[in-house]
Amino acid sequence: AQSVTQLGSHVSVSEGALVLLRCNYSSSVPPYLFWYVQYPNQGLQLLLKYTSAATLVKGINGFEAEFKKSETSFHLTKPSAHMSDAAEYFCAVSDRKAGTGFQKLVFGTGTRLLVSP
Amino acid sequence: SQTIHQWPATLVQPVGSPLSLECTVEGTSNPNLYWYRQAAGRGLQLLFYSVGIGQISSEVPQNLSASRPQDRQFILSSKKLLLSDSGFYLCAWSPPGRVARTYEQYFGPGTRLTVT
Repeated sequence: AQSVTQLGSHVSVSEGALVLLRCNYSSSVPPYLFWYVQYPNQGLQLLLKYTSAATLVKGINGFEAEFKKSETSFHLTKPSAHMSDAAEYFCAVSDRKAGTGFQKLVFGTGTRLLVSP
Repeated sequence: SQTIHQWPATLVQPVGSPLSLECTVEGTSNPNLYWYRQAAGRGLQLLFYSVGIGQISSEVPQNLSASRPQDRQFILSSKKLLLSDSGFYLCAWSPPGRVARTYEQYFGPGTRLTVT
């Protein structure tokens, strides 16, 4: 089964600083990877996805992520943090359910981004 | 465009009471539907998924059940709630099909359930 590991349950940055949220995946087949954002008491919103095209994926709100097969990583970055970026971020990998072939998403435990003025 | 609704938004229920959470999707046909539970600091746990009317797959044994009485309606139920059922419940949908791995999931606004 596929899995993802998000290093750091909390990341704190100052407004204007670089945002780096880490995600490492474990996959026996070429993975499809996703980043989602969740604001307090809301559902998850898709930020970006990697589907084996370009390794550098650009998403909404100025975020981007780079797929690095050699490092089994899919870290999320943003050059300059805004106060509105404060939220929880989830990395996810597509996984095939044994026996049925059904595709589902496996989520990491999330990283809470804190942005200070 | 597609829209996903969940209700109620918040719910406080005593231990031992029944539960019914509803999720509906608009603007698509025969979607795959999912129920997740999110507990603080533990990420998302997939509870059930459905590829069609009356077709429910359970991911983990628990005190909950799911039903899909209509194409775009997904219901999460319990006969007797436990304290451990408290959490944030999220419904999601994805385009139909079993093998398309590129399909991301789209989430509803969630239901906050507190069992007292």
